[in-house]
Amino acid sequence: AQKITQTQPGMFVQEKEAVTLDCTYDTSDQSYGLFWYKQPSSGEMIFLIYQGSYDEQNATEGRYSLNFQKARKSANLVISASQLGDSAMYFCAIPDYGQNFVFGPGTRLSVLP
Amino acid sequence: NAGVMQNPRHLVRRRGQEARLRCSPMKGHSHVYWYRQLPEEGLKFMVYLQKENIIDESGMPKERFSAEFPKEGPSILRIQQVVRGDSAAYFCASSTGQSMNTEAFFGQGTRLTVV
Repeated sequence: AQKITQTQPGMFVQEKEAVTLDCTYDTSDQSYGLFWYKQPSSGEMIFLIYQGSYDEQNATEGRYSLNFQKARKSANLVISASQLGDSAMYFCAIPDYGQNFVFGPGTRLSVLP
Repeated sequence: NAGVMQNPRHLVRRRGQEARLRCSPMKGHSHVYWYRQLPEEGLKFMVYLQKENIIDESGMPKERFSAEFPKEGPSILRIQQVVRGDSAAYFCASSTGQSMNTEAFFGQGTRLTVV
Protein backbone atom coordinates (compact mmCIF):
# COMPACT_ATOMS: atom_id res chain seq x y z
CA ALA A 1 0.00 0.00 0.00
CA GLN A 2 1.05 3.56 -0.60
CA LYS A 3 2.18 5.77 2.22
CA ILE A 4 2.87 9.50 2.47
CA THR A 5 4.93 11.16 5.19
CA GLN A 6 4.95 14.88 5.88
CA THR A 7 7.28 15.54 8.80
CA GLN A 8 6.54 19.23 9.32
CA PRO A 9 3.29 19.75 11.25
CA GLY A 10 3.73 23.52 11.00
CA MET A 11 5.94 25.95 9.12
CA PHE A 12 6.42 29.69 9.23
CA VAL A 13 7.73 31.84 6.41
CA GLN A 14 8.18 35.54 5.95
CA GLU A 15 6.13 37.16 3.21
CA LYS A 16 7.99 37.24 -0.13
CA GLU A 17 10.40 34.50 0.98
CA ALA A 18 10.49 31.00 -0.48
CA VAL A 19 9.50 27.94 1.55
CA THR A 20 9.89 24.19 1.05
CA LEU A 21 7.31 21.72 2.34
CA ASP A 22 8.58 18.17 2.69
CA CYS A 23 6.92 15.04 1.38
CA THR A 24 8.31 11.52 1.26
CA TYR A 25 6.43 8.54 -0.03
CA ASP A 26 6.55 4.79 -0.09
CA THR A 27 5.34 2.81 -3.05
CA SER A 28 6.17 -0.40 -4.85
CA ASP A 29 4.70 0.89 -8.10
CA GLN A 30 7.07 1.57 -10.98
CA SER A 31 4.84 4.28 -12.39
CA TYR A 32 2.97 6.68 -10.15
CA GLY A 33 2.08 10.29 -9.62
CA LEU A 34 2.46 12.74 -6.76
CA PHE A 35 -0.09 15.47 -6.09
CA TRP A 36 -0.12 18.50 -3.84
CA TYR A 37 -3.33 20.06 -2.54
CA LYS A 38 -3.91 23.25 -0.57
CA GLN A 39 -6.64 23.54 2.04
CA PRO A 40 -7.29 27.11 3.22
CA SER A 41 -9.25 27.87 6.36
CA SER A 42 -12.46 27.85 4.34
CA GLY A 43 -11.98 24.09 3.98
CA GLU A 44 -12.00 23.34 0.28
CA MET A 45 -9.28 21.23 -1.31
CA ILE A 46 -7.46 23.01 -4.11
CA PHE A 47 -5.24 21.12 -6.54
CA LEU A 48 -1.82 22.76 -6.91
CA ILE A 49 0.61 20.62 -8.86
CA TYR A 50 1.29 17.12 -10.18
CA GLN A 51 4.53 15.19 -10.78
CA GLY A 52 4.68 11.96 -12.74
CA SER A 53 7.33 9.47 -11.73
CA TYR A 54 8.67 9.26 -15.27
CA ASP A 55 8.64 12.99 -15.92
CA GLU A 56 12.19 14.06 -16.63
CA GLN A 57 11.71 17.59 -15.42
CA ASN A 58 10.42 18.85 -12.12
CA ALA A 59 6.87 20.15 -12.36
CA THR A 60 6.22 23.87 -12.10
CA GLU A 61 2.97 25.81 -11.88
CA GLY A 62 3.41 29.51 -11.39
CA ARG A 63 4.94 30.06 -7.95
CA TYR A 64 4.73 26.35 -7.15
CA SER A 65 7.41 23.88 -8.11
CA LEU A 66 8.27 20.34 -7.10
CA ASN A 67 11.73 19.23 -6.02
CA PHE A 68 11.31 15.61 -7.12
CA GLN A 69 14.03 13.19 -6.10
CA LYS A 70 12.90 9.77 -7.22
CA ALA A 71 15.76 7.80 -5.69
CA ARG A 72 15.05 9.34 -2.29
CA LYS A 73 11.29 9.04 -2.81
CA SER A 74 10.71 12.66 -2.01
CA ALA A 75 8.52 15.25 -3.72
CA ASN A 76 8.96 18.50 -1.84
CA LEU A 77 6.78 21.48 -2.71
CA VAL A 78 8.55 24.80 -3.14
CA ILE A 79 6.52 28.00 -2.92
CA SER A 80 8.39 31.05 -4.12
CA ALA A 81 7.63 34.63 -3.13
CA SER A 82 5.18 33.64 -0.39
CA GLN A 83 1.99 35.64 -0.05
CA LEU A 84 -0.32 36.03 2.92
CA GLY A 85 -2.95 34.05 1.01
CA ASP A 86 -0.63 31.05 0.97
CA SER A 87 -1.36 30.46 4.65
CA ALA A 88 -3.15 27.12 4.64
CA MET A 89 -2.77 23.39 5.17
CA TYR A 90 -0.84 21.61 2.43
CA PHE A 91 -1.31 17.94 1.66
CA CYS A 92 0.84 15.63 -0.41
CA ALA A 93 -1.01 12.69 -1.98
CA ILE A 94 -0.39 9.61 -4.09
CA PRO A 95 -2.96 7.46 -5.90
CA ASP A 96 -3.45 4.00 -4.47
CA TYR A 97 -4.16 0.87 -6.50
CA GLY A 98 -7.85 1.60 -6.58
CA GLN A 99 -7.15 5.09 -7.84
CA ASN A 100 -8.24 6.67 -4.61
CA PHE A 101 -5.76 9.04 -3.03
CA VAL A 102 -3.63 8.42 0.03
CA PHE A 103 -2.95 11.71 1.78
CA GLY A 104 -0.21 12.71 4.17
CA PRO A 105 -1.08 14.32 7.52
CA GLY A 106 -0.45 17.77 6.11
CA THR A 107 1.70 20.79 6.92
CA ARG A 108 0.20 24.00 8.22
CA LEU A 109 1.96 26.95 6.58
CA SER A 110 1.72 30.38 8.14
CA VAL A 111 2.98 33.35 6.14
CA LEU A 112 4.08 36.25 8.32
CA PRO A 113 3.72 39.87 7.17
CA ASN B 1 -12.92 22.29 -8.63
CA ALA B 2 -16.07 24.32 -8.14
CA GLY B 3 -17.75 21.77 -10.41
CA VAL B 4 -18.07 19.13 -7.69
CA MET B 5 -21.12 20.05 -5.67
CA GLN B 6 -21.65 18.83 -2.15
CA ASN B 7 -24.62 19.57 0.01
CA PRO B 8 -25.32 20.47 2.61
CA ARG B 9 -22.20 22.44 3.53
CA HIS B 10 -23.00 22.08 7.21
CA LEU B 11 -25.13 19.43 8.87
CA VAL B 12 -26.03 19.10 12.52
CA ARG B 13 -27.49 15.86 13.81
CA ARG B 14 -28.39 14.54 17.24
CA ARG B 15 -26.94 11.24 18.32
CA GLY B 16 -28.93 8.38 16.84
CA GLN B 17 -30.23 10.31 13.84
CA GLU B 18 -29.33 9.63 10.23
CA ALA B 19 -27.05 11.83 8.12
CA ARG B 20 -27.28 11.91 4.32
CA LEU B 21 -24.52 13.67 2.43
CA ARG B 22 -24.85 14.36 -1.28
CA CYS B 23 -22.25 14.75 -3.98
CA SER B 24 -22.73 15.65 -7.62
CA PRO B 25 -19.53 15.02 -9.60
CA MET B 26 -18.16 17.26 -12.27
CA LYS B 27 -19.76 16.93 -15.65
CA GLY B 28 -18.23 14.02 -17.52
CA HIS B 29 -16.78 12.40 -14.39
CA SER B 30 -17.93 8.90 -13.62
CA HIS B 31 -15.66 8.17 -10.64
CA VAL B 32 -16.56 9.39 -7.18
CA TYR B 33 -14.53 9.12 -4.00
CA TRP B 34 -15.53 9.91 -0.43
CA TYR B 35 -13.01 10.97 2.19
CA ARG B 36 -13.30 11.84 5.87
CA GLN B 37 -11.20 14.47 7.57
CA LEU B 38 -11.03 14.65 11.34
CA PRO B 39 -9.89 17.96 12.88
CA GLU B 40 -6.20 18.68 12.31
CA GLU B 41 -5.74 15.51 10.27
CA GLY B 42 -5.37 14.60 6.63
CA LEU B 43 -8.08 13.12 4.49
CA LYS B 44 -8.76 9.41 4.90
CA PHE B 45 -10.20 7.43 2.04
CA MET B 46 -13.58 5.84 2.64
CA VAL B 47 -15.10 4.55 -0.59
CA TYR B 48 -14.68 4.65 -4.35
CA LEU B 49 -17.69 4.33 -6.63
CA GLN B 50 -18.53 4.33 -10.27
CA LYS B 51 -22.07 4.56 -11.55
CA GLU B 52 -24.15 1.85 -9.81
CA ASN B 53 -21.01 0.09 -8.55
CA ILE B 54 -18.92 0.19 -5.40
CA ILE B 55 -15.36 -0.38 -6.54
CA ASP B 56 -13.49 -0.13 -3.24
CA GLU B 57 -15.03 0.34 0.19
CA SER B 58 -11.99 -0.67 2.19
CA GLY B 59 -12.02 2.61 4.13
CA MET B 60 -15.65 2.46 5.17
CA PRO B 61 -16.59 1.49 8.72
CA LYS B 62 -18.33 -1.88 8.63
CA GLU B 63 -21.45 -0.68 10.38
CA ARG B 64 -23.77 2.30 10.01
CA PHE B 65 -22.04 3.69 6.90
CA SER B 66 -23.15 3.10 3.32
CA ALA B 67 -22.63 4.78 -0.03
CA GLU B 68 -24.27 4.67 -3.40
CA PHE B 69 -23.87 6.28 -6.80
CA PRO B 70 -27.07 5.60 -8.74
CA LYS B 71 -27.46 5.75 -12.47
CA GLU B 72 -29.28 9.03 -12.10
CA GLY B 73 -28.65 11.60 -9.41
CA PRO B 74 -25.89 12.36 -6.95
CA SER B 75 -23.76 10.02 -4.92
CA ILE B 76 -25.03 9.63 -1.36
CA LEU B 77 -23.02 8.88 1.75
CA ARG B 78 -25.38 7.70 4.46
CA ILE B 79 -24.53 7.44 8.13
CA GLN B 80 -27.11 5.77 10.32
CA GLN B 81 -27.44 6.26 14.07
CA VAL B 82 -24.73 8.90 14.19
CA VAL B 83 -22.41 9.15 17.18
CA ARG B 84 -20.21 12.03 18.32
CA GLY B 85 -17.17 10.39 16.76
CA ASP B 86 -18.76 10.80 13.31
CA SER B 87 -18.29 14.57 13.59
CA ALA B 88 -15.90 15.44 10.79
CA ALA B 89 -15.62 17.03 7.37
CA TYR B 90 -16.65 14.69 4.57
CA PHE B 91 -15.22 15.39 1.16
CA CYS B 92 -16.30 14.07 -2.17
CA ALA B 93 -13.98 14.03 -5.16
CA SER B 94 -14.58 13.10 -8.76
CA SER B 95 -12.37 12.24 -11.68
CA THR B 96 -12.47 10.70 -15.09
CA GLY B 97 -10.30 7.98 -13.58
CA GLN B 98 -8.73 7.23 -16.90
CA SER B 99 -5.08 7.51 -15.99
CA MET B 100 -2.76 7.78 -13.07
CA ASN B 101 -2.14 11.47 -13.61
CA THR B 102 -5.77 12.35 -13.36
CA GLU B 103 -6.24 14.87 -10.64
CA ALA B 104 -9.24 14.52 -8.43
CA PHE B 105 -11.46 17.55 -8.15
CA PHE B 106 -12.87 18.04 -4.69
CA GLY B 107 -16.11 19.48 -3.49
CA GLN B 108 -16.16 21.99 -0.66
CA GLY B 109 -17.02 19.34 1.87
CA THR B 110 -19.85 18.75 4.29
CA ARG B 111 -19.13 19.48 7.91
CA LEU B 112 -21.08 17.10 10.08
CA THR B 113 -21.53 17.94 13.72
CA VAL B 114 -23.16 15.41 16.00
CA VAL B 115 -24.55 16.87 19.20
